[in-house]
Amino acid sequence: DTAVSQTPKYLVTQMGNDKSIKCEQNLGHDTMYWYKQDSKKFLKIMFSYNNKELIINETVPNRFSPKSPDKAHLNLHINSLELGDSAVYFCASSQGGTPQETQYFGPGTRLLVL
Amino acid sequence: GENVEQHPSTLSVQEGDSAVIKCTYSDSASNYFPWYKQELGKRPQLIIDIRSNVGEKKDQRIAVTLNKTAKHFSLHITETQPEDSAVYFCAASIVPVKDDMRFGAGTRLTVKP
Repeated sequence: DTAVSQTPKYLVTQMGNDKSIKCEQNLGHDTMYWYKQDSKKFLKIMFSYNNKELIINETVPNRFSPKSPDKAHLNLHINSLELGDSAVYFCASSQGGTPQETQYFGPGTRLLVL
Repeated sequence: GENVEQHPSTLSVQEGDSAVIKCTYSDSASNYFPWYKQELGKRPQLIIDIRSNVGEKKDQRIAVTLNKTAKHFSLHITETQPEDSAVYFCAASIVPVKDDMRFGAGTRLTVKP
């Protein structure tokens, strides 16, 4: 079950550091997403990107930036990490860019900021 | 934008009983409603979805119903088993153009053997 993969699985780091989480999908999908799941298990969209358009949730701080080297990858860069960034981050992908497409999630990256 | 509310936040049932989780959405333009199951420490996985052109869909022990007029949809699990224990998320698409999917807050279902 490696259709959508993320690395690392766990990430523990100090406040103020800059870190990246990588995501790759081998499904040939056109659109990729990043979600944040906090301690209360709320799933919140952060970004969606389909190789032509980046849609950013307006509540996401600009310390977070997605970078897509190609259609199969969407990496998440986080600058100046804060305690409140601790969460599980899920990458997902879907075939097209419409909301009716099923999203397939990666295994998640558990980020802990100390 | 779309707002999705999900109830209850926690649900405990005895094995063999039925479980029902309800969601409401705010935008009448929403037309796709998936349900995701997230087991402890794992990724969310799609278990069933429904589009606005149907009122009910069933897949073995799980079913989803949609009431477009009232703007709510529900997940029904019959003959629950301990392995059904997980967090369940409902979601709704906002508009039929490129946009994100809004998730409910989740329901933690516990099935007691």
